[in-house]
Amino acid sequence: QVHLVQSGAEVKKPGASVKVSCKASDNTFKNYGITWVRQAPGEGLEWMGWISGYNGKTNYAQKFQGRATMTTDTSTSTAYMELRSLRSDDTAVYYCAHNSPGLFDYWGQGTLVTVSS
Amino acid sequence: DIVMTQSPDSLAVSLGERATINCKSSQSVLYSSNNKNYLAWYQQKPGQPPKLLIYWSSTRESGVPDRFSGSGSGTDFSLTISSLQAEDVAVYYCQQYYGTSWTFGQGTKVEIK
Repeated sequence: QVHLVQSGAEVKKPGASVKVSCKASDNTFKNYGITWVRQAPGEGLEWMGWISGYNGKTNYAQKFQGRATMTTDTSTSTAYMELRSLRSDDTAVYYCAHNSPGLFDYWGQGTLVTVSS
Repeated sequence: DIVMTQSPDSLAVSLGERATINCKSSQSVLYSSNNKNYLAWYQQKPGQPPKLLIYWSSTRESGVPDRFSGSGSGTDFSLTISSLQAEDVAVYYCQQYYGTSWTFGQGTKVEIK
C-alpha cells in the first residue's frame, strides 16, 4: 500500500507560481507514476497530467501544457507539480495520486491553493 | 480529448433502494487488442480525496462492497448501487484511461430521499 503525503496549503497572488510536493511512503516510487488532479471549490475532478517515477517522462493535459511542470526526486520519493502564471480560477485543491497506470488507486490528502490579490 | 458525460447530475434514493448512474464517452474506450474497457468509477465524500471503486468497467477494487457494480462497454457505462446505504452518500465520477490523455465525468451526487 502506498501512502502519499502532500505539502501544506498555499496562498498566492495572481501571476505567481506555486509548487506542490507529494512524498510517497515506500521505496517503489521508481516503479510507478504519479498523476495530478485538481478540484475547484464545489466543482468536479480535473486531470492535469502524470509523471513516470521510472524515467521522469511526463504527459500533460492540453489545458496545462506550458504552464505546469511535473518533476520527481527519486532519492526522496517525492513528486512535484509547479503551476505558473496563476489566476483566480486556479484556486483549487490539488491532489497527487498513484498512477497504476491510468488508474488512481492511492491519493494524497490534497493541497489547497488559493489565488487572491 | 474524450469527453465523459454523466447522468443524472444528482439523484435521491431511499435507503435500501437501487441507484444507477450513467456515463457516456464521446468515443469508444474499448481497446480491441485486449477487449478491455478503460473505464473506472470513483467515490468522493465531502472533504476527502476520491476513492477508486471499479476499473475495467466492472472489476471491483479490493475491499469495495459487492453492492457496487459496474457494467457497459464501448461508449455507454453504468454504476449501480444495489441497496443504498447511508455511507454511500457521495459524489461519483466516471473516468476514462484510454490512450494518454485521461478525463473525468462531471460527477453525480447521490443523496438519501
